[in-house]
Amino acid sequence: QKEVEQDPGPLSVPEGAIVSLNCTYSNSAFQYFMWYRQYSRKGPELLMYTYSSGNKEDGRFTAQVDKSSKYISLFIRDSQPSDSATYLCAMSSNTGANSKLTFGKGITLSVRP
Amino acid sequence: KAGVTQTPRYLIKTRGQQVTLSCSPISGHRSVSWYQQTPGQGLQFLFEYFSETQRNKGNFPGRFSGRQFSNSRSEMNVSTLELGDSALYLCASTTSGTTDTQYFGPGTRLTVL
Repeated sequence: QKEVEQDPGPLSVPEGAIVSLNCTYSNSAFQYFMWYRQYSRKGPELLMYTYSSGNKEDGRFTAQVDKSSKYISLFIRDSQPSDSATYLCAMSSNTGANSKLTFGKGITLSVRP
Repeated sequence: KAGVTQTPRYLIKTRGQQVTLSCSPISGHRSVSWYQQTPGQGLQFLFEYFSETQRNKGNFPGRFSGRQFSNSRSEMNVSTLELGDSALYLCASTTSGTTDTQYFGPGTRLTVL
């Protein structure tokens, strides 16, 4: 079993839809949770960063962490064609410059105009 | 502030050859991490360097090596290339603070024939 599992997709939704992206993990030492967005032929860019359990909102994006269930989610409200990209969840058990990220395999999202 | 730069962007090699990839981190960042991204395995951690020292290493064979220079620029080397080494190699630089904000470069696309 991989440490981080992510729904494989791909996912196609109409513009304006609410999108829910999910990851599960098995390592209970993970405390730091991130979502990255990767456009074609680009490196990943950090979207959301959360520590421990709870919700965090940033504009149209909400990240949710449930450590008891080892489950994290990213919600995108009012999705736009510009949101079409690959979304990767990532996790770490420690912080600082000495950190190692463990990634999910990513899910490709397409938002249809 | 300039982002993370990686050179070259694309590379084609044949089996058995060796290759060197370069990464220049964001100015002031002292930590550089390398990742391999493939469709089958996703993003996998290779190693991390801080102040010219390797502090963290993933589960890759010894054919994969790296180094960091005094100006924080980093190189990774893959010797005796195999077909399975074809991948996008991503470099990320990290602030010296207490968060896991890793900034990724655009990657080097390596194709092994």
